[in-house]
Amino acid sequence: EPEVTQTPSHQVTQMGQEVILRCVPISNHLYFYWYRQILGQKVEFLVSFYNNEISEKSEIFDDQFSVERPDGSNFTLKIRSTKLEDSAMYFCASSLGLNTGELFFGEGSRLTVL
Amino acid sequence: AQKVTQAQTEISVVEKEDVTLDCVYETRDTTYYLFWYKQPPSGELVFLIRRNSFDEQNEISGRYSWNFQKSTSSFNFTITASQVVDSAVYFCALSGGTSYGKLTFGQGTILTVHP
Repeated sequence: EPEVTQTPSHQVTQMGQEVILRCVPISNHLYFYWYRQILGQKVEFLVSFYNNEISEKSEIFDDQFSVERPDGSNFTLKIRSTKLEDSAMYFCASSLGLNTGELFFGEGSRLTVL
Repeated sequence: AQKVTQAQTEISVVEKEDVTLDCVYETRDTTYYLFWYKQPPSGELVFLIRRNSFDEQNEISGRYSWNFQKSTSSFNFTITASQVVDSAVYFCALSGGTSYGKLTFGQGTILTVHP
């Protein structure tokens, strides 16, 4: 069964460092998303991406965050200067269409900022 | 604004008991989608079901069943004859008709099934 894959599974970084989280969505999917889950809390939407541009973003997704689809397969989330409160599990997801199909989530990348 | 409320923070049952997880939602969209996801201890989000707002038919899948009631804005999830492997956090989520992929999640319900 096709799946969304994410790397790294766990990253530890120092506050102020840049972090890039990588995702490979399902190959024929057109819509890509990032969500995050602070430990013990609910899952929160960060950003959606379609046709090489952001289609929607939440208030959490400030100027420290950026997303990119650098090639035909990867979808990345960059945090420019990490803060302690960025520590969370980051989930990538993809869907075939806007109103069709389920949202497939990856297994998550746990980010720990020290 | 959309909101999903899962009032049960934690539920503990003994194996083979039936358990219902409650979900109440708020939205102004006339077209919307409701979801349930399971998050086992390993951390991934496992899709269980998607329902659109026009389909109020209840659904059964093995030991799982879902009761969607638009009149009470509820989308409850029942596990029949629970098993230890059902232990997980269960999230109810909602997306609006024009923002299908932008899910609003509830706080989650931690289900523990004891042998």
